[in-house]
Amino acid sequence: DGGITQSPKYLFRKEGQNVTLSCEQNLNHDAMYWYRQDPGQGLRLIYYSQIVNDFQKGDIAEGYSVSREKKESFPLTVTSAQKNPTAFYLCASSRGTDTSGANVLTFGAGSRLTVL
Amino acid sequence: GDSVTQMEGPVTLSEEAFLTINCTYTATGYPSLFWYVQYPGEGLQLLLKATKADDKGSNKGFEATYRKETTSFHLEKGSVQVSDSAVYFCALRAGGTSYGKLTFGQGTILTVHP
Repeated sequence: DGGITQSPKYLFRKEGQNVTLSCEQNLNHDAMYWYRQDPGQGLRLIYYSQIVNDFQKGDIAEGYSVSREKKESFPLTVTSAQKNPTAFYLCASSRGTDTSGANVLTFGAGSRLTVL
Repeated sequence: GDSVTQMEGPVTLSEEAFLTINCTYTATGYPSLFWYVQYPGEGLQLLLKATKADDKGSNKGFEATYRKETTSFHLEKGSVQVSDSAVYFCALRAGGTSYGKLTFGQGTILTVHP
């Protein structure tokens, strides 16, 4: 079945360490996204990518980095510069173009990062 | 910029009660509107969508109507079940974009008791 796989599901990190979250999709979607979820704040967009080798900052990109070397993969690195990294991270994908006007996001199951 | 405002939760109901979760939005142009649901420990799943004014999205007994005059997309269900307990997110995609970047509301926690 097609879908999005995020790993690891749970991750613990010491302060000052970088950590990379994996996101892989087999939906043949062109666009991929990273969102951060905090209690009571909904989802906020970190980075997104419409095509391979191209990505743009979202609303809260500071302290994060991404790469898009393959269509299927969009890893997110949480760097030591991110001041409050403990959160639930969600990866999503969508078709790059859509004539119906209802381009839908498909989400992974998420990765929960805790900084000790 | 674009924004979505949902009614504050948590919402607690008894089984078979009527559900309404309010959602209003601010956006330029003609956005597409969505409701997503998140069950405990999981990612988000699309519940329903509407792409133009007066469209009604429906799925699993849930409905929402795109009201441009009131900039609203309220979620309703006539009879909730315990299995509907989850977090519900209203979201919009700005008109004129060809990809799926969404703006989300803060989410509403729904708990249904037997």
